[in-house]
Amino acid sequence: AQKITQTQPGMFVQEKEAVTLDCTYDTSDPSYGLFWYKQPSSGEMIFLIYQGSYDQQNATEGRYSLNFQKARKSANLVISASQLGDSAMYFCAMREHRDDKIIFGKGTRLHILP
Amino acid sequence: GAGVSQSPSNKVTEKGKDVELRCDPISGHTALYWYRQSLGQGLEFLIYFQGNSAPDKSGLPSDRFSAERTGGSVSTLTIQRTQQEDSAVYLCASSPGQANYEQYFGPGTRLTVT
Repeated sequence: AQKITQTQPGMFVQEKEAVTLDCTYDTSDPSYGLFWYKQPSSGEMIFLIYQGSYDQQNATEGRYSLNFQKARKSANLVISASQLGDSAMYFCAMREHRDDKIIFGKGTRLHILP
Repeated sequence: GAGVSQSPSNKVTEKGKDVELRCDPISGHTALYWYRQSLGQGLEFLIYFQGNSAPDKSGLPSDRFSAERTGGSVSTLTIQRTQQEDSAVYLCASSPGQANYEQYFGPGTRLTVT
């Protein structure tokens, strides 16, 4: 069974608009962490944001925030005031405490339009 | 400080040959991961090392793939009798482990099997 699901293979968003990238996950481990990474066309993987399963508040890092809905097993990434440089592939990932390995979703390709 | 480095950056090999891919993690990082990324696809987990524990090899696609980590630092991923479907970018990442699970990725090795 797929542990990380990103249902949007591609998205087109107008510059300066906010964008939400969807991510749902599946785990029975009560302790886990959720990550978002950005991969521009250069290929490097850039860490964006982290949310722990026991964190009370949604994580925020600058223009990035993680909309964590634990009961729905949802960890959507919200990018406010999108910029042309946000065009990239975005990956959601999860680490379960019981085995510590980090598993990635298939990604969403985001295109920001001028 | 220095980030994660991988060598070679590009490798072209003939079908049936063996290849070795190297990863130098960030000094002091106890966790090391190998992933495979085929063109336009997500990251496929291959293997995970944590400290002196036995590695999690559950992602290795066949017995032609193996990896070792010497002295808790440098890791080598070996692919024997390469096949064309092995062509991909192989990414290595390291993490401090313990409380901080952010992964730091290397630039990857692009493997082409002809």
